[in-house]
Amino acid sequence: QITLKESGPTLVKPTQTLTLTCTFSGFSLSTSGVGVGWIRQPPGKALEWLALIYWNDDKRYSPSLKSRLTITKDTSKNQVVLTMTNMDPVDTATYYCAHMSSTSCYNYWGQGTLVTVSS
Amino acid sequence: DIQMTQSPSTLSASVGDRVTITCRASQSISSWLAWYQQKPGKAPKLLIYKASSLESGVPSRFSGSGSGTEFTLTISSLQPDDFATYYCQQYNSYFTFGPGTKVDIK
Repeated sequence: QITLKESGPTLVKPTQTLTLTCTFSGFSLSTSGVGVGWIRQPPGKALEWLALIYWNDDKRYSPSLKSRLTITKDTSKNQVVLTMTNMDPVDTATYYCAHMSSTSCYNYWGQGTLVTVSS
Repeated sequence: DIQMTQSPSTLSASVGDRVTITCRASQSISSWLAWYQQKPGKAPKLLIYKASSLESGVPSRFSGSGSGTEFTLTISSLQPDDFATYYCQQYNSYFTFGPGTKVDIK
């Protein structure tokens, strides 16, 4: 059974750096074809893809946010970490991590964590 | 960047109705398109991948079609559990989600 769970601060101040951790179970991020991605959703708005890390440590970032994002993995801990620098109130959103299967689609998602950016 | 649009943005329907949602890409994405269902306060759920392949465990009343730039999601007979928001997502080049289509009760 695959599960993922996001953790991190619920409130950050403008200009601060956000660090979110995705802790997962039921799969290994060293298995060929597998990845873990981050997707966010501002309140009442659509989903926005942020970043993806593959089993082989290859990484992909949203072109519009690439300068602010870093994604890393710790295979031994079954964790993926996303950092986003220079947070702004428009970055207020629910942040999800998700398992990407060999179909390149996100077939398992965490419950999401709401991050509010406010002074 | 590949942009995705969906129509309609909101759809009012009744239980038993056949429902069709359209998704368009700003350039050809072959068949690299997925559909997700999202209910309020919940994470999205994968329904369809590669434009027309049904994800395991998803009811057969859901189907997808299309290729290139135009795609459709069809629910053959709407059930009470299907009232939700539906998103398309391309994965030909990075990942881009559409703006969503809310299916509500007529």
